[in-house]
Amino acid sequence: NAGVTQTPKFQVLKTGQSMTLQCAQDMNHNSMYWYRQDPGMGLRLIYYSASEGTTDKGEVPNGYNVSRLNKREFSLRLESAAPSQTSVYFCASSVSILANTEAFFGQGTRLTVV
Amino acid sequence: AQSVTQPDIHITVSEGASLELRCNYSYGATPYLFWYVQSPGQGLQLLLKYFSGDTLVQGIKGFEAEFKRSQSSFNLRKPSVHWSDAAEYFCAVGSGTYKYIFGTGTRLKVLA
Repeated sequence: NAGVTQTPKFQVLKTGQSMTLQCAQDMNHNSMYWYRQDPGMGLRLIYYSASEGTTDKGEVPNGYNVSRLNKREFSLRLESAAPSQTSVYFCASSVSILANTEAFFGQGTRLTVV
Repeated sequence: AQSVTQPDIHITVSEGASLELRCNYSYGATPYLFWYVQSPGQGLQLLLKYFSGDTLVQGIKGFEAEFKRSQSSFNLRKPSVHWSDAAEYFCAVGSGTYKYIFGTGTRLKVLA
C-alpha cells in the first residue's frame, strides 16, 4: 500500500536550472497539495488541486508551477531554480479539500539549489 | 487571521517521563484540529484529530490531546515517553483557504 509517492528523494540543482518534482497517490483521492518545509516556518502551501482539472495558488506560489496530470498525479515544476527554493518539499493528498479531511503525506524531496 | 502557535521549539524529556506539547490557535469558527508527527527523514503521519464532541481525543502511539475552547488550545500529551517518540510534532488547524495552517513545530528529544 504505497499511499503518496514522491520522486526524487534528493536533488541538487544549480541556480537557473529547471526540474519537476513528481507525486502520485494510489488512494483515489480528489485533492492534492504541494508544501514546502523550512526550518522554523513549519509547512507552507505552494499550490493545490481541489479536484482533477483544477489548480490554485497557495500561500507561497511564486517561482513554481504545477500540473494535475490526472487524478493520481500532481507535479511541481521549478522553471529557474533559486537558492531561496532550497527546502524540503512534501506532496499530500486527501479525499477532499474540506478542512475536516485528513491529508496523507509523501516522504518528501530534499532540494538544494547552489 | 488564522494562525497556529507552538511556543516550544525544542523539548527534552527523559524516557518514561510524561510529555505535554502546547498548541494555541486563532480561528474564527469551530476549528478542525490535527496533530502530526514527523520522524527524521520521513513524511508527516497523523497522530490524532478533533472535529467535535468529546474534547479529549485519543490517537495512535498512546498520544492524546485535549481541546479547550476557552484557552484556544489543543495540547498533546503522553503519559510515558519512549525513545522512539523522538521526532518533530506539528499542530495544524483545518483551513477553508489553505487546507491546513501549520504551526512551526516542536522538536522532541528523548534522553535514555
